[in-house]
Amino acid sequence: QVQLVQSGAEVKKPGASVKVSCKASGDTFTTSYIHWMRQDPGQGLEWMGIISPSGETTSYAQKFQGRVSLTRDTSTSTVYMELSSLRSADTAIYYCARDKDTRMVTPTDWGQGTLVTVSS
Amino acid sequence: QSALTQPRSVSGSPGQSVTISCTGTSSDIGDYNYVSWYQQHPGKAPKLMIFDVIKRPSGVPDRFSGSKSGNTASLTISGLQAEDEADYYCCSYGGPYTLVVFGGGTRLTVL
Repeated sequence: QVQLVQSGAEVKKPGASVKVSCKASGDTFTTSYIHWMRQDPGQGLEWMGIISPSGETTSYAQKFQGRVSLTRDTSTSTVYMELSSLRSADTAIYYCARDKDTRMVTPTDWGQGTLVTVSS
Repeated sequence: QSALTQPRSVSGSPGQSVTISCTGTSSDIGDYNYVSWYQQHPGKAPKLMIFDVIKRPSGVPDRFSGSKSGNTASLTISGLQAEDEADYYCCSYGGPYTLVVFGGGTRLTVL
């Protein structure tokens, strides 16, 4: 089983950007699609986007188009999620998750989550 | 507002069975067998319990089962145990513009 370890909690001011990392162990990471989701405190899950194994292909939820960017460093088995123009409504726990196959519909192994707090 | 609709809460006594529903549309649940279910305990990351409507990952007890009828998917937990108390989220393929959609989550209370 692939283990995903995310970077630590962040506190940002409105209008700033945040970049969260997701580092994996295991050989299967190099062939895995990686999803990003977020969860508002005490609320449900929301899908943000996905990046291909090579990092060349991404797909984003319409809600986040233009504000989110997923990138991948294959040499370090790390995926990054950057969210810009932050507002208080972006305060949430952000999760990365590996997909079990190439259909890109089943976030399978999840990271521990990263709390991002947006506050002036 | 979530794309998929779940009841906010369900409850059952130890040993009983409970079913959690997840209603979508003909564009997501109705047209594709890509429904998955996640269990989330407080302060923890979600854990995959069911995928492709009916399949269980290795290590998930067979007390957990999934099904689908039309635009509605269901998760049934039989022989309820105290450790099953958690939030449960359904998930489906959402179409070409938002690949994955989630339900709003259901809080399961074991009485």
